[in-house]
Parts: sequence; structure tokens; C-alpha cells
Amino acid sequence: NAGVTQTPKFQVLKTGQSMTLQCAQDMNHNSMYWYRQDPGMGLRLIYYSASEGTTDKGEVPNGYNVSRLNKREFSLRLESAAPSQTSVYFCASSWQGADTGELFFGEGSRLTVL
Amino acid sequence: AQSVTQPDIHITVSEGASLELRCNYSYGATPYLFWYVQSPGQGLQLLLKYFSGDTLVQGIKGFEAEFKRSQSSFNLRKPSVHWSDAAEYFCAVGARGGTASKLTFGTGTRLQVTL
Repeated sequence: NAGVTQTPKFQVLKTGQSMTLQCAQDMNHNSMYWYRQDPGMGLRLIYYSASEGTTDKGEVPNGYNVSRLNKREFSLRLESAAPSQTSVYFCASSWQGADTGELFFGEGSRLTVL
Repeated sequence: AQSVTQPDIHITVSEGASLELRCNYSYGATPYLFWYVQSPGQGLQLLLKYFSGDTLVQGIKGFEAEFKRSQSSFNLRKPSVHWSDAAEYFCAVGARGGTASKLTFGTGTRLQVTL
């Protein structure tokens, strides 16, 4: 039972390079999320997808783009990486019905931008 | 907008001692409330959640939390801490309604357990 799988787990980029973080869930959840975690700041929502075919900005969307490829997959793209995007990125999913569903998290992707 | 405050950045307790981690939230109505735990290098795991009903909720690993509307608090407790409880703990609040679980997280409390 894999749950939420993120790749890659570690990545080092130079300023200006681009990359895509991949996320897949096998729990048939309808909603998916990307968070970033920085020391002393908790987790902040970057983008989310309430359902297949929809995406919306979260608290800190600047510098990122997302694609909900299908129900299972939700990718996060950095078009031109900046040192301020050095962080640990978490993908999460939930079943969103009448009530707020709990989030299930991947193990994180640690990104360093030099 | 909803917000969460975890006033304690770091707490150290002795193994076997009791634990209380504080969480205060700001939200215009009754929120959904969660506690997550994060072990080093891992993702977040749900400990417990409050949606409605009994204000004292039980979670995994012997944790419990109490929702106090009058104090806008959702403190996490454990009567006897084990060394394996050393981790970072996050409180989160979610809005009722809406189409996605857009949780707002606190900044976390790091728990150290001494033997």
C-alpha cells in the first residue's frame, strides 16, 4: 500500500534551472496538494487541486506551476528556480466529501537551489 | 482567514512524564482541527482530529486532545511520554465547507524526550 509517492526525494539545482516534482497517490482521493516546509514556518500551501481538472493557488504560489495530470497524479513545476525556493516539498491527498478530509502526506522532496 | 499558533517551539520532557502541547486557533466558526506528527526525514502522520461532537478526542499512540471553544484551543496531551514520541508536532485548522481540505498549519513544536 504505497499511499502518496513523491519523486525525486532529493534534488540540487542551480539558479534559473527548471524542474518538476512528481506526485502520485493510489488511494482514489479526489483532492491533492503541494506544501512547502521551511524552518520556523510550518507548512504553507502552494497549490491544490480539489478535483481532477481543477487547480487553485494556495498561500505561496509565486514561482510555481502545477498540473493535475489525472486523478492519481499532481506535479509541481519550478520554471526558473531561485534560492528562496530551497525547501522541503510535500505532496498530500485527501478524500473531499461533505467534511474536510484528513490529509495523507508523501515523505517529502528536499530541494536545494544554489 | 484562519490561523494557528503553537507558542512552544521546543519542549523537553523526561520519559514517563506527562506532556501537553499547546495550540490556539483563529477561525470565525467551529473549525476542523487536527494534530499531525512528523518524525525526522518523514512526512506527516495524522494523530487525531476533531470534527464535531465529544470535545475530547482520542488518537493513535496514546495521544488525546481537547477542543475548548471558549479558549480557542486544541491542546494535545499524553499521560506518559515514550522516547519514541520525540518528533515534531503540528496543529492544523481547516475551514468548514469548501471543496478542498485547505488546512492551515502551525509552525510546529519539536519534542525532545530525555531518558
